[in-house]
Amino acid sequence: GAVVSQHPSRVICKSGTSVKIECRSLDFQATTMFWYRQFPKKSLMLMATSNEGSKATYEQGVEKDKFLINHASLTLSTLTVTSAHPEDSSFYICSARVGQNTEAFFGQGTRLTVV
Amino acid sequence: LAKTTQPISMDSYEGQEVNITCSHNNIATNDYITWYQQFPSQGPRFIIQGYKTKVTNEVASLFIPADRKSSTLSLPRVSLSDTAVYYCLVGDRTGGGNKLTFGTGTQLKVEL
Repeated sequence: GAVVSQHPSRVICKSGTSVKIECRSLDFQATTMFWYRQFPKKSLMLMATSNEGSKATYEQGVEKDKFLINHASLTLSTLTVTSAHPEDSSFYICSARVGQNTEAFFGQGTRLTVV
Repeated sequence: LAKTTQPISMDSYEGQEVNITCSHNNIATNDYITWYQQFPSQGPRFIIQGYKTKVTNEVASLFIPADRKSSTLSLPRVSLSDTAVYYCLVGDRTGGGNKLTFGTGTQLKVEL
């Protein structure tokens, strides 16, 4: 199957700093990328959907100014957690797909810890 | 928005067949049904996708009745390594785009 690479896999940052997470589709062009966050023993919660070259669509309750998403190319999307606080600590997962109703491929996730 | 309902958890033993059923009463005509597997601290992994009737691949089968209001993921002869959370997703189109929304998932525990 296609490969989606997420970097970094783990990051620890100080409260108030910003953290950027990269999501790359290595062997296909992703027209759509999704960003999720997941708390322990909970399901994945969709944060936003991004299409290459356009602004991301955020889910209700997700602050777009805090979670900046950029999908500048068909193989790269980034999520920047700005002014991170301990409550932002979570497992962040990206996903990419070629088109509608095609299978989505997921990155390995990024464990963010804000101290 | 097509919502899915699955059992929270299931227990099984090695070598048994496991069937996990998902309800999706509001599935739309163009929606596909997709199942993913997730291990702790990893991203979900695609298992199988289908639209109607039966789909089979090297790891699982997916049964979809004619009304498509439910689907059943069948895992033949499970092993300890199949212990994971299994998610049923229904393709969702909103505002001209589309998104994948996860339900609660089913925690499958396989024992010796």
